[in-house]
Amino acid sequence: AQSVTQLGSHVSVSEGALVLLRCNYSSSVPPYLFWYVQYPNQGLQLLLKYTSAATLVKGINGFEAEFKKSETSFHLTKPSAHMSDAAEYFCAVSLVKAAGNKLTFGGGTRVLVKP
Amino acid sequence: GAVVSQHPSRVICKSGTSVKIECRSLDFQATTMFWYRQFPKQSLMLMATSNEGSKATYEQGVEKDKFLINHASLTLSTLTVTSAHPEDSSFYICSATTSRISEQYFGPGTRLTVT
Repeated sequence: AQSVTQLGSHVSVSEGALVLLRCNYSSSVPPYLFWYVQYPNQGLQLLLKYTSAATLVKGINGFEAEFKKSETSFHLTKPSAHMSDAAEYFCAVSLVKAAGNKLTFGGGTRVLVKP
Repeated sequence: GAVVSQHPSRVICKSGTSVKIECRSLDFQATTMFWYRQFPKQSLMLMATSNEGSKATYEQGVEKDKFLINHASLTLSTLTVTSAHPEDSSFYICSATTSRISEQYFGPGTRLTVT
């Protein structure tokens, strides 16, 4: 079975500052890892995904994440926060060979951007 | 890109009535669709996995007789909340995928309020 832990349910950053959202996973087989963003009353939008290719993954809106197998981590970063980055962020894992790509989500991290 | 729609986006119903939520994949054939439930300020909880032409697989603790799922075609899955009660009020999100891709595409969600 797989699981995901997001450290910090809330993160507050200043506009222009680094955004760092932490995600650690547990999986018995090589995982696929995802970061999604959710704006209020909307569905999830994929930011980026790791599917066993390059360990440093670049996504949309200037976000990137690095897969570190030794640390079982997939932290999300953005060098400079923008007001529009205020949202809820979810890390998720699926098993590479799982039928139907079943996802397990972390608890989410709410990002607040201060002007 | 892959687009998933949900209808309605918001619904209010009286306690004891049933309500149907539709999930459609607009530009691809979805062999598998998922239904999630999200309470305020919480993560997504997988309710069931729906494969076209077969019975849905429900997660532990989800009442299959209360949450009826039908996946009659490769582009449509429906969730019917039967005999709804106020505690069923929640945000319901569907997602869709195929065996050829490594991610799920999410719908915009449906806000259900039971009065």
